Amino acid sequence: GAGVSQSPSNKVTEKGKDVELRCDPISGHTALYWYRQSLGQGLEFLIYFQGNSAPDKSGLPSDRFSAERTGGSVSTLTIQRTQQEDSAVYLCASSLWGRTSTYEQYFGPGTRLTVT
Amino acid sequence: GENVEQHPSTLSVQEGDSAVIKCTYSDSASNYFPWYKQELGKRPQLIIDIRSNVGEKKDQRIAVTLNKTAKHFSLHITETQPEDSAVYFCAARVNAGKSTFGDGTTLTVKP
Repeated sequence: GAGVSQSPSNKVTEKGKDVELRCDPISGHTALYWYRQSLGQGLEFLIYFQGNSAPDKSGLPSDRFSAERTGGSVSTLTIQRTQQEDSAVYLCASSLWGRTSTYEQYFGPGTRLTVT
Repeated sequence: GENVEQHPSTLSVQEGDSAVIKCTYSDSASNYFPWYKQELGKRPQLIIDIRSNVGEKKDQRIAVTLNKTAKHFSLHITETQPEDSAVYFCAARVNAGKSTFGDGTTLTVKP
């Protein structure tokens, strides 16, 4: 079936502008994660959604970053007043969920954000 | 919070040799440890994972070992091939929550 999709694949924006990044998880996956990967670095956790529970926002680097997940499916990550240090690849992942179980996270292709 | 350290940052081996990448974690509550392979410009792909109730897991040329007491786990690749060249990431997770990733190891397999 279809995997995790993200759009746009590339985004170039000017410093100070707002951007929205979209993630479509695998159908039936109730857990959705956003990560950020700077050039040559590991993945940095941003935010995690599970069903109707309050999201885990502990990884958001500043109040310029926010995310929502509508209807338990599509998610949008919004970065306001972008800064050059926001330039990175933003990766979304989804998985099945179980309170005491672990399931594979499937990653999307990412959105490469460049702030000029 | 969880902290994952990964070594080495780069590893170069001759084709056919073995490669070992090591990770340590800090949160004793972590109970799931996946390994990902990421080729240039591609998304991370899960190659093997291990849960905390298991000490070792093998899948063909790839194996992972876990020492819960010492809080470290390792990836072993035997009979390396040029197509194994990529960046490898370890991660630690508590149940279905967020993953904390290591900084990655760039593996180069020389033909």
